[in-house]
Amino acid sequence: NAGVTQTPKFQVLKTGQSMTLQCAQDMNHEYMSWYRQDPGMGLRLIHYSVGAGITDQGEVPNGYNVSRSTTEDFPLRLLSAAPSQTSVYFCASSYQDSMNTEAFFGQGTRLTVV
Amino acid sequence: DAKTTQPNSMESNEEEPVHLPCNHSTISGTDYIHWYRQLPSQGPEYVIHGLTSNVNNRMASLAIAEDRKSSTLILHRATLRDAAVYYCILSYNFNKFYFGSGTKLNVKP
Repeated sequence: NAGVTQTPKFQVLKTGQSMTLQCAQDMNHEYMSWYRQDPGMGLRLIHYSVGAGITDQGEVPNGYNVSRSTTEDFPLRLLSAAPSQTSVYFCASSYQDSMNTEAFFGQGTRLTVV
Repeated sequence: DAKTTQPNSMESNEEEPVHLPCNHSTISGTDYIHWYRQLPSQGPEYVIHGLTSNVNNRMASLAIAEDRKSSTLILHRATLRDAAVYYCILSYNFNKFYFGSGTKLNVKP
């Protein structure tokens, strides 16, 4: 099983550029979410989705957009990149079920905005 | 969302048990206690979770205080591969986690 796949693994952007971070899961999970992790800190929730067509904001949503047109994919869009968005981005997927509790995280996308 | 308090770092010897504490005095009745760990340059991985009763799995044990205001993750025999940052997270929603800064565990050979 591939699990949660994030692409690209590394990206350098110039300030003001836009890009989409891709996230795909093959476990038929209902729930997907995006986090960012700055150096020496824990992960912070950006956006999450409880199913296709449904998304909501997390702790730090400003500067990011998401959509969920299929169960498998949950892309994260940066509309106009800023240096403050330099971070490592993690995508996660899970069931909402006390018997199947494990959230699976991708390997991360390391983004640098110059 | 309820917060957790963990020591910034802990050290253990290989092959010995490790007890990682977590305080969560503002936990609500519907919050589950989750533990994840993050190895260097990797995404977090699930360790264990519980609601009220102590829990065991192949990786670890979770001891939950009777008043649920604290919990302890127990690694029974630490290995070098267990060196990681361990996060204690409260959530009623398994999709929506609020991470603190975690405990960095160093395992000495």
